[in-house]
Amino acid sequence: AQSVTQLDSHVSVSEGTPVLLRCNYSSSYSPSLFWYVQHPNKGLQLLLKYTSAATLVKGINGFEAEFKKSETSFHLTKPSAHMSDAAEYFCVVSAGSGTYKYIFGTGTRLKVLA
Amino acid sequence: ETGVTQTPRHLVMGMTNKKSLKCEQHLGHNAMYWYKQSAKKPLELMFVYSLEERVENNSVPSRFSPECPNSSHLFLHLHTLQPEDSALYLCASSPTLAREQYFGPGTRLTVT
Repeated sequence: AQSVTQLDSHVSVSEGTPVLLRCNYSSSYSPSLFWYVQHPNKGLQLLLKYTSAATLVKGINGFEAEFKKSETSFHLTKPSAHMSDAAEYFCVVSAGSGTYKYIFGTGTRLKVLA
Repeated sequence: ETGVTQTPRHLVMGMTNKKSLKCEQHLGHNAMYWYKQSAKKPLELMFVYSLEERVENNSVPSRFSPECPNSSHLFLHLHTLQPEDSALYLCASSPTLAREQYFGPGTRLTVT
């Protein structure tokens, strides 16, 4: 069965410092993996996706994530945090090969300090 | 966010009311989804439509009734809801099933 674990429920960083949001997955298939961001009172916005092409995936707003099969990880990073990055971030794995069913992580709330 | 719109953005209804949530996608996608987002819980998939045919009903109570009249519109009809149904209801669409999903801003529903 597929599963996803976001290792931190809350992360705080200072503006201008790097961001690391951690995600581990479990999948018996070659997974599709996604990161979404949700700002307060908004829907989810797709940041980036991994679908078995390049292992380093670049997304919007300067975010990127690296697929590491040996570590079953898909951590999200950004070199320099902005105040506007404060939001909740969800790591998502597809429930199987060619399926529309997403398995959502429980979310990591990112706080950016001035 | 303008690719998928949802109305209303906020809704307060009594347990005996009947109301509908509307979702519209302007992306030319063929698949549409309803999710429920409750506090402290992962997103729950409720319904999935592909080319206007329902392909998923994830054990959702019958007080929630979806309708997909065409590939651009999706409705969620609500009747005799319970307070525990209060949540953020998110609509999403994807080019086809199994492709990445794009979400609307959600409808914040409060059942009193």
